[in-house]
Amino acid sequence: GAVVSQHPSRVICKSGTSVKIECRSLDFQATTMFWYRQFPKQSLMLMATSNEGSKATYEQGVEKDKFLINHASLTLSTLTVTSAHPEDSSFYICSARLAEGGGYNEQFFGPGTRLTVL
Amino acid sequence: AQRVTQPEKLLSVFKGAPVELKCNYSYSGSPELFWYVQYSRQRLQLLLRHISRESIKGFTADLNKGETSFHLKKPFAQEEDSAMYYCALHSGGGADGLTFGKGTHLIIQP
Repeated sequence: GAVVSQHPSRVICKSGTSVKIECRSLDFQATTMFWYRQFPKQSLMLMATSNEGSKATYEQGVEKDKFLINHASLTLSTLTVTSAHPEDSSFYICSARLAEGGGYNEQFFGPGTRLTVL
Repeated sequence: AQRVTQPEKLLSVFKGAPVELKCNYSYSGSPELFWYVQYSRQRLQLLLRHISRESIKGFTADLNKGETSFHLKKPFAQEEDSAMYYCALHSGGGADGLTFGKGTHLIIQP
């Protein structure tokens, strides 16, 4: 099956620093990747849609200058949390879309990255 | 805007008993519905999609457009079914992400 990896799996940083999270599709090309955020005991919330070669599309309420997304290749998307603060501490999960004919959309999820901002 | 509702945060049943995890959605168009499962310390993985109408690990789910529901069912629960289950909706088109419900933690007691 299609595999999506994330790196790092866990990161702890000081307030004010920036953190980059990578999302890779290992055995398929993904023109579209998605970034989700999950708070403890809550559901996944879509943050943004990352399209290869173009600007990301952000969901309402998500600051694009805070969460920088780059999708430079068909297998890699990065999320950079700029000037991180403790309230940014969360579990960040990416997914990659495997497109099939007829508009069907299945997404394969990465294992997630636990970000803790001190 | 679309919404997915899973009314039960926690569902505990005994092994061998039937299981039904409820999912209701609101969306004005024709959605694609999915069930994702997350076992302990593992990533989210697709369990079912309404388009394929298949049965995976004994689970089935039928899309009821009249009731806007997509409940997940299994006639005889097994201990290995214990996990978090998320119902998700895709509104169609190529660029949109999924809208998830809050999830139901299913515990199968021996």
